[in-house]
Parts: sequence; structure tokens; C-alpha cells
Amino acid sequence: NAGVTQTPKFQVLKTGQSMTLQCAQDMNHNSMYWYRQDPGMGLRLIYYSASEGTTDKGEVPNGYNVSRLNKREFSLRLESAAPSQTSVYFCASRRGHTNTGELFFGEGSRLTVL
Amino acid sequence: RKEVEQDPGPFNVPEGATVAFNCTYSNSASQSFFWYRQDCRKEPKLLMSVYSSGNEDGRFTAQLNRASQYISLLIRDSKLSDSATYLCVVKRGSGYALNFGKGTSLLVTP
Repeated sequence: NAGVTQTPKFQVLKTGQSMTLQCAQDMNHNSMYWYRQDPGMGLRLIYYSASEGTTDKGEVPNGYNVSRLNKREFSLRLESAAPSQTSVYFCASRRGHTNTGELFFGEGSRLTVL
Repeated sequence: RKEVEQDPGPFNVPEGATVAFNCTYSNSASQSFFWYRQDCRKEPKLLMSVYSSGNEDGRFTAQLNRASQYISLLIRDSKLSDSATYLCVVKRGSGYALNFGKGTSLLVTP
């Protein structure tokens, strides 16, 4: 039961480097999300994709880009990493936009930007 | 003002105690409400949805007060395994985003 799989689980970057966080779900869910979690800040939505082919900004999109490659995969890209992007990143998916749909999370990707 | 606010705690309670967490939300258009649980260095997982009439799942009871824009979670007969952070989550009727509170930390001690 894979559920939501994120890679890599850990990454250290230098300021200015770029990287892509990969996320895949095998539950045939329509909606996918990227959150970041920082101490004292809770989970904040970066971007989401309501369905294949669509993406929308969340609360903190600056410095990030996303791609909904297909129904299964939703990637998050940092073009020029900054220390402020040091965080734990969670990918999540949800069957649809119905009010009772449960959000399933990946195990998280811990990113440090030096 | 943040859309979802919770008392961060920590709440330290002995085993067997009853503990209640509160959450307020600012957007009156919110229509769906949830409690998620997050263990240390793990991903959040759904604990229970919150329905207008209130609902119970074993030792856990959730209540919603739309007039006051207030959600609560009651845990009875606390277990050591209940130690975690509890996240209040609110979804607006339209749109896809779920908004998370910062979480309330619970530590149940022997």
C-alpha cells in the first residue's frame, strides 16, 4: 500500500541551487497538494492541483513552481533555493473536492538550504 | 488574522484524564471541518471529520459551533499513545484548499 510517495526524503542544498521534489500517488486521486511545515507556523499550502492539467497558487507560492505531470504525479521545483525555504515539505492527495474527502500525506521531504 | 487558530499547548495530562482542545476559524463560509493527528516527525493523518450535530469515535468526540465559529475535540480516558500534535483543519465550501491550524501538542504521562 504505497499511497503517496515523496522523493527525496532528505536534501541539503546551497543557496542558489535548484532541485525538484517528486510526488506520486497510486490512489487514483484527482487533487494533489504541496504543503510546507515550519516550527511555530503549522502547515502552509504552497500550490495545489485540482485535477490533471490544472495548478493553482496557495498561501506561500513565491519561489516555487509546480508541474502536474499526469494524474499520478505532482512535482515541486525550487529554481534558486534560499535559506528561508528550509522546511519539511509534504505532498498530499485527495479523491476530489468533496467536503468529506480525506487528505492523504506522503512521509515528507526534509530540505535544508545553507 | 490567521484563518484557523488553536491553542498551541503543550497540554500535559496524566493517563486516564479527559482533555479538550479548541479551535476557532475566521471564515464564516467554511463548510468542512476535520481533526488530524501528527506524531513527531511523521505526516499528518485524519483523526476524524467534524459534523454539525457533533460526532463521536470511541474515546474521541468532536463538536462544531457554527454560530461561534468554534470546533472542539474531547479525548476521554487518555492513553500514552494519544501523545501527538492535533491539527484543526477547515475547508471553505468553494475551492480545494484545506487550511490547517498550527496544532495543539498533547503529552500523556504515566
